[in-house]
Amino acid sequence: DIQMTQSPSSVSASVGDRVTITCRASRGISTWLAWYQQKPGRAPKLLIYAASSLQSGVPSRFSGTGSGTDFTLTISSLQPEDFATYYCQQANSFAWTFGQGTKVEIK
Amino acid sequence: EVQLVESGGGLVKPGGSLRLSCIASGFSFSSYTMNWVRQAPGKGLEWVSSISSSNSYIYYADSVKGRFTISRDNAKNSLYLQMISLRAEDTAVYYCAGSDAAAGYWGQGTLVTVSS
Repeated sequence: DIQMTQSPSSVSASVGDRVTITCRASRGISTWLAWYQQKPGRAPKLLIYAASSLQSGVPSRFSGTGSGTDFTLTISSLQPEDFATYYCQQANSFAWTFGQGTKVEIK
Repeated sequence: EVQLVESGGGLVKPGGSLRLSCIASGFSFSSYTMNWVRQAPGKGLEWVSSISSSNSYIYYADSVKGRFTISRDNAKNSLYLQMISLRAEDTAVYYCAGSDAAAGYWGQGTLVTVSS
């Protein structure tokens, strides 16, 4: 199975900060990478697919880059509604795997 | 409006069975691969199973292989997960999710608790 490793596991940031989350795959997955946001008690929400494509309706402050094994999710200017847990997910193989999550907390 | 509504969760004893259902509306269900993803309390997301739009391809996580069966009825816009031989470690919120390039559609989840 492809392992996905996210870092950091948590980050404290202020409104307006730029936040970057990284995700590393245990082997190359081309651009078969998605990012999700999850708030407590809610289902995950797709933010980015195909490593860099913004899902419809998602604010443009979210962006994704990368290919192969290394990927990044960037929030350019953190907003109050962005405090949540973020997961990467590989879809290169039929057996999806998720990163362990990155919790973005209020500083 | 896209909706995925799961049902069928509850409290079950170890070794017991449950059948989860997910009814979809607001999108072309028969064109989408459908998936079950679970989340144990306080933990991350774990993929469980996927079924292609026409039932041609079915996949399971190793942790549930041989115990869980995914199925769908495109005429009823419905997805199912039959779970047998349940274990304590199967305790989780189970989400159904519709995907093409990624899982763009999610239900609200149904809680399965396996405990004596």
